[in-house]
Formats: sequence, structure tokens, C-alpha cells
Amino acid sequence: NAGVMQNPRHLVRRRGQEARLRCSPMKGHSHVYWYRQLPEEGLKFMVYLQKENIIDESGMPKERFSAEFPKEGPSILRIQQVVRGDSAAYFCASSRGLVGTDTQYFGPGTRLTVL
Amino acid sequence: DAKTTQPPSMDCAEGRAANLPCNHSTISGNEYVYWYRQIHSQGPQYIIHGLKNNETNEMASLIITEDRKSSTLILPHATLRDTAVYYCIVAANFGNEKLTFGTGTRLTIIP
Repeated sequence: NAGVMQNPRHLVRRRGQEARLRCSPMKGHSHVYWYRQLPEEGLKFMVYLQKENIIDESGMPKERFSAEFPKEGPSILRIQQVVRGDSAAYFCASSRGLVGTDTQYFGPGTRLTVL
Repeated sequence: DAKTTQPPSMDCAEGRAANLPCNHSTISGNEYVYWYRQIHSQGPQYIIHGLKNNETNEMASLIITEDRKSSTLILPHATLRDTAVYYCIVAANFGNEKLTFGTGTRLTIIP
């Protein structure tokens, strides 16, 4: 019973390159969330997606960041033209999307380093 | 903004019970109390949750006051591997809304 999977676990990019982070939710989960944790800070919500739909993107930076969760395949968080300030741990979580009691389960994260 | 207040840090001797408090005085009737922990820089790990009754699982116990304005997470026999940042979060629908993490409590288990 695999948990939430994220890859790559570590990603190094130079300024101006693109970063693609992938997240495969737990089996049976159709809701995905992305959170970012800057060094020495807490986790901050970025975006909430269901299959083929963005439900809440209130935490996404207005430029360079985008997310998708296609009908088939993993969810992708894409960062274009990365800058040093994008260096952080990016965590994905998934849930069944039930009203009331339900739980978000987190993946191990992708650590992005921008040189 | 986080709806919870937690002490920034606590120490506990190995083998003793660790009691982590959380204040959520503005909690609504339909909001659950969830606890997660983050060990070093790993992904947050779900521990336990409850609505108004006390709960226990293989990891911990959750005690919620009768007025639901505060709760305590109890790790009955703390080990060094329990050293982590513990987050208390309240929300009505954990399965379909964003989570707001506060600063949590940094628990250090002392050998």
C-alpha cells in the first residue's frame, strides 16, 4: 500500500531553468495539494487540485508557477525561470476528498536547490 | 492565519510521557483537531485526529477538553525518534481544503 510518491527527491537547477516536480497520490485518492517549506520556515499552502481541475490556487505565486493534475498520470508542479528564492522543500499531499473526517497524507518532498 | 496556539518548544525525558498542549479557543462545532509531526526535514506525518471525544491509536492519545477550546497530544513512552516539530491544526474538512500550519512545538527527547 504505497503512500504518496514524489520525484525527484532532490533537484538542482541553475537560475533561469525550469523545474518540474511530480506527485503520485495514494491509491484511491483523487485530491492533491502542494505545499512549500522555505528554509527554517513552516509549510505554506500553494495549490489544491482534483483531476483536471484546479480547486484553490490562492497560495500560488502569480508568475512562473503552475500546477496540473491530468486525467492520467501524476500531478505536476512546474516552476519556470527559477530564481534562488525558489530553493525550498516542496511537499505534496493527497486525500480522498471526503466531507468531514478525512486526512491529507504527505509525500517525502522534493528539495529544490537553485544555483 | 493559524487558528491554534502551541508552545514553541518542549523537552521530555526518554521513556516518559510527552504531553503537548494546543489552544484552539475559536474552534467551530464542525471543526476537527488534527495532529501532525515533521521529523527533521521529512514530509509531515499524520498522527491522530478527533472531534470531541478522546482518541487513541498506536502512536498517541488525543485528549480534547469538554468545551473543545484546547487539546493535548500524549506520546505515552517517548523515544529519541519522537524528536520532531508537532503541529496542531483545526479544520472542518481535511479532505478538501487547504491546511494552515502554524509554527508548531519543537519537541526534543532527552536521553
